Amino acid sequence: KAGVTQTPRYLIKTRGQQVTLSCSPISGHRSVSWYQQTPGQGLQFLFEYFSETQRNKGNFPGRFSGRQFSNSRSEMNVSTLELGDSALYLCASSVDRVEKLFFGSGTQLSVL
Amino acid sequence: QKEVEQNSGPLSVPEGAIASLNCTYSDRGSQSFFWYRQYSGKSPELIMFIYSNGDKEDGRFTAQLNKASQYVSLLIRDSQPSDSATYLCAVKVAGWAGGTSYGKLTFGQGTILTVHP
Repeated sequence: KAGVTQTPRYLIKTRGQQVTLSCSPISGHRSVSWYQQTPGQGLQFLFEYFSETQRNKGNFPGRFSGRQFSNSRSEMNVSTLELGDSALYLCASSVDRVEKLFFGSGTQLSVL
Repeated sequence: QKEVEQNSGPLSVPEGAIASLNCTYSDRGSQSFFWYRQYSGKSPELIMFIYSNGDKEDGRFTAQLNKASQYVSLLIRDSQPSDSATYLCAVKVAGWAGGTSYGKLTFGQGTILTVHP
């Protein structure tokens, strides 16, 4: 069974640009959660989607948004990038409830 | 106060010793507790979960939960150099809002464990 797939693996952007990250969950998993990981803040929860609906949202500004498609694949978008957005963005999937999360390899975003 | 706090590291133990990793949480409504291992440059992987008070053993790993004290720990027996990694404690809080169930895992900052030969 294929794991959680995130693309792209690396991204370099400049301030003010926007970026879209993609996540394909494990087959049969309908819940997708997104996390931001930085050395200083650790893993911070962004949002969680289930059946194309956002069920929960963390304390991030509105520049961070996401969506989920009918096949459970998810995307997150960050608009008007800031230097502080440089981080590893991790996607995790679970069957339905947010329980045992399986993480993808992440997208390393660098904002210059 | 942080929602999930882990004992400050790094923690260094000799090969064959017991490594003890600790975690406290602030929300008494927390329902489920997880330990993830993250190797350098890799993503977190689930190694243990526990829902009820007491101990849960899986091979060399034992998770311990005390809800009254809001404390969860991970013991690694017979530590091996391959156990060297960052260990993340995660706590789930769930509930209902607007007719929809929700849940999220809140992670601690992690404890870096080094097992030296």
